[in-house]
Amino acid sequence: ETGVTQSPTHLIKTRGQQVTLRCSSQSGHNTVSWYQQALGQGPQFIFQYYREEENGRGNFPPRFSGLQFPNYSSELNVNALELDDSALYLCASSVDRGRPDTQYFGPGTRLTVL
Amino acid sequence: AQKVTQAQTEISVVEKEDVTLDCVYETRDTTYYLFWYKQPPSGELVFLIRRNSFDEQNEISGRYSWNFQKSTSSFNFTITASQVVDSVVYFCALSEKGSGGYQKVTFGTGTKLQVIP
Repeated sequence: ETGVTQSPTHLIKTRGQQVTLRCSSQSGHNTVSWYQQALGQGPQFIFQYYREEENGRGNFPPRFSGLQFPNYSSELNVNALELDDSALYLCASSVDRGRPDTQYFGPGTRLTVL
Repeated sequence: AQKVTQAQTEISVVEKEDVTLDCVYETRDTTYYLFWYKQPPSGELVFLIRRNSFDEQNEISGRYSWNFQKSTSSFNFTITASQVVDSVVYFCALSEKGSGGYQKVTFGTGTKLQVIP
């Protein structure tokens, strides 16, 4: 059973650019959630995808968007990057959105916006 | 709105001491789940335990134990005989069902544990 993987590991962008982060969910998991973790803070929920549809969103602007593919892998897209977007982005997968199942996390992508 | 408070930002203990990490939560729901994760410097959150709101039984797993008290809305985590390898950041989290059926998870701000040899 493979765990959650994310790519790239690190990324440096400049303000105003766009970025795409990728996540492969754990085998057998159909739900993916994305979190933003600023330095010294806890993860903040961005949104959740279940069977290719967004079914929950935290307090993030529309320039944060996502996709989930038929194989349940997912992308997080951020447009018009701002300096405050510099953070660790974590992806988590779980078995089913309807159950408060344990979410299993990937190693994260560290994004730096200059 | 749900909220998780980890008042201890950083804790330092000497190796082999016991240490308790505090977690206090707020929720209006009667059905919810509580979690503890740890986060080493590599960044990946590692699952430690899940407890549902109807199960107040304490749990012990090796050197780890958890005390869930609904009356005080607390879910504290104790490490017995701490070791240097326990020196990571620990997060408490609360999960409720959000509108639309998604799992809404709120994390605390974390407690950084330093075990001094």
